[in-house]
Amino acid sequence: EAGVAQSPRYKIIEKRQSVAFWCNPISGHATLYWYQQILGQGPKLLIQFQNNGVVDDSQLPKDRFSAERLKGVDSTLKIQPAKLEDSAVYLCASSLEGGRNYEQYFGPGTRLTVT
Amino acid sequence: AQSVSQHNHHVILSEAASLELGCNYSYGGTVNLFWYVQYPGQHLQLLLKYFSGDPLVKGIKGFEAEFIKSKFSFNLRKPSVQWSDTAEYFCAVTGSARQLTFGSGTQLTVLP
Repeated sequence: EAGVAQSPRYKIIEKRQSVAFWCNPISGHATLYWYQQILGQGPKLLIQFQNNGVVDDSQLPKDRFSAERLKGVDSTLKIQPAKLEDSAVYLCASSLEGGRNYEQYFGPGTRLTVT
Repeated sequence: AQSVSQHNHHVILSEAASLELGCNYSYGGTVNLFWYVQYPGQHLQLLLKYFSGDPLVKGIKGFEAEFIKSKFSFNLRKPSVQWSDTAEYFCAVTGSARQLTFGSGTQLTVLP
């Protein structure tokens, strides 16, 4: 079974530039998550999708971050404009369903450096 | 809001030593508890989980964890660590929020 795919794996940009990350979840998984992991901290949920609808985006900085999941499969996360504090690893995860009893499977992450 | 505390930021052990990593959570209701591991250069993967029933749960690679409700704890243990256990370990909980809340992680270094 193929895992969660993410690209790019690394990205370096200057502050005020924009950047986009892509995620392809495990086939058949209805729920998709984006996490931000700052160095020395655990992952923090940014947004959760159920199929192509948003379930929870309460911790997404909506003034600069946006995400979409077209057709309920792939997803993109965008930052525009980037700030220095956005330097982090952005993790995508998926699960069969969105309930608390469903295991989340994580992708390798995209390491973003903002200079 | 639920939160998770991992008290040890970095643990260094010699091979064959016993391991116990602390995890405490703050939520008084029903919880699901998880330990995830991230080996160097690899993605986060599930080590073990507790939903209900026997509070002593066994995971992969000889790891186990005990849920002690009265102490709000879910400590991870392994009787004898190996060099290949070098990794970062994250405790996580789902409580009132369906979302996973992670601790800050513990970096384990096992010396050969």
